[in-house]
Amino acid sequence: GAGVSQSPRYKVAKRGQDVALRCDPISGHVSLFWYQQALGQGPEFLTYFQNEAQLDKSGLPSDRFFAERPEGSVSTLKIQRTQQEDSAVYLCASSPPPTGKAQNTIYFGEGSWLTVV
Amino acid sequence: AQTVTQSQPEMSVQEAETVTLSCTYDTSENNYYLFWYKQPPSRQMILVIRQEAYKQQNATENRFSVNFQKAAKSFSLKISDSQLGDTAMYFCAFTPGGDKLTFGTGTRLAVRP
Repeated sequence: GAGVSQSPRYKVAKRGQDVALRCDPISGHVSLFWYQQALGQGPEFLTYFQNEAQLDKSGLPSDRFFAERPEGSVSTLKIQRTQQEDSAVYLCASSPPPTGKAQNTIYFGEGSWLTVV
Repeated sequence: AQTVTQSQPEMSVQEAETVTLSCTYDTSENNYYLFWYKQPPSRQMILVIRQEAYKQQNATENRFSVNFQKAAKSFSLKISDSQLGDTAMYFCAFTPGGDKLTFGTGTRLAVRP
């Protein structure tokens, strides 16, 4: 696709419910990132994939958060037993291979807005 | 660890005027990349401008330009001929390269008609 695509755009979950957020990166982009943005804050890094390998998951706030990218393309961020503090916008981003003019430039999707009630 | 500081929570500018948004950062890296992203109410992060630290020349993109001062670790964004559509949150971000971005806390810019 032309840009990073995320779904669902909006999700309301009851506390304790599991949710899954999907990200479809720009075609050909090997790197994929998940960020969490709470209201009034800047995005905070969650995790990073290069192809199917999860190279950095240091930002995942707890073991209730899990991300995967099994075929090196689409990624899913799963949050188990959601809590109110999980309410945020979850931004997915991708970047091209480290060659060419656009290297090291990260492109974002529109985000998935999660509200836990 | 890298940190990015935006000291202006809110800014306001008259339409057609010029405004400068401040950003400072801290890193021990010698080569890195700096970005300004715009985030409208839709919450999508839109890339405004990009600067490689090894380039002395300041980046420009139409009405947007930066003042990159490597020694001072400063990376300000200048918006010329401000337009109503420039109203948004603006985030400064840093990466050492090919890796995760570290964002500032953002500056809310309002363009007045």
